[in-house]
Amino acid sequence: DIVMTQSPDSLAVSLGERATIDCKSSQSLLDSSNNKNYLAWYQQKAGQPPRLLIYWASTRESGVPDRFSGSGSGTDFTLTISSLQAEDVAVYYCQQYYNTPRLTFGGGTTVELK
Amino acid sequence: QLQLQESGPRLVKPSESLSLTCSVSGDSISNSRYYWGWIRQSPGKGLDWIGTIYYNGITYYDPSLERRLTISIDTSKNQFSLDLRSVTAADTGVYYCARCPATICFFDSWGQGTRVTVSS
Repeated sequence: DIVMTQSPDSLAVSLGERATIDCKSSQSLLDSSNNKNYLAWYQQKAGQPPRLLIYWASTRESGVPDRFSGSGSGTDFTLTISSLQAEDVAVYYCQQYYNTPRLTFGGGTTVELK
Repeated sequence: QLQLQESGPRLVKPSESLSLTCSVSGDSISNSRYYWGWIRQSPGKGLDWIGTIYYNGITYYDPSLERRLTISIDTSKNQFSLDLRSVTAADTGVYYCARCPATICFFDSWGQGTRVTVSS
């Protein structure tokens, strides 16, 4: 199985500041035939189901604010919240789908307000 | 507007079976463009993929659960179901059903989740 490792486990960010979350995979998620990285990001607020934010490592889902961006390729990926808002307090997960149908998630990163 | 809704018992005794159903509205579960999946979240923990089913009944399971797990689909009712046998306390958690594009499975729609406790 592909192992997904997120860092940090948690971070505290002031309103309006940048938040950066890293996700590393145990093998490359890049398909050279289509140059796409099979990596998604989710946001989970307390008491709610996860919400898809980003897929193909950098494509925002419809309705997701543009302060959320994804980057990276191969085995190293980053989710950036450019200017943290109060409603962004949540746990964020990465997920590989390179090995569909065998899917794996990262352990999650908790974003809190400083 | 796609909606998924989990249903089933909230309390299951150890060694018994955990059975949940996901009712889908706003899309046909026979849509060949999608897989339908189950994901579990243990208390205070992260997300774990359990298994996925296609409209034609083809299933994919987490190898660690495969011996105890059956996922089935009922296209006439627009539902799919999970049956996990011989449960232990380690199977306690919130169970989500979700949809993903077939062959490139990121979950674009989720149910609200149902909390299941395994306890005598």
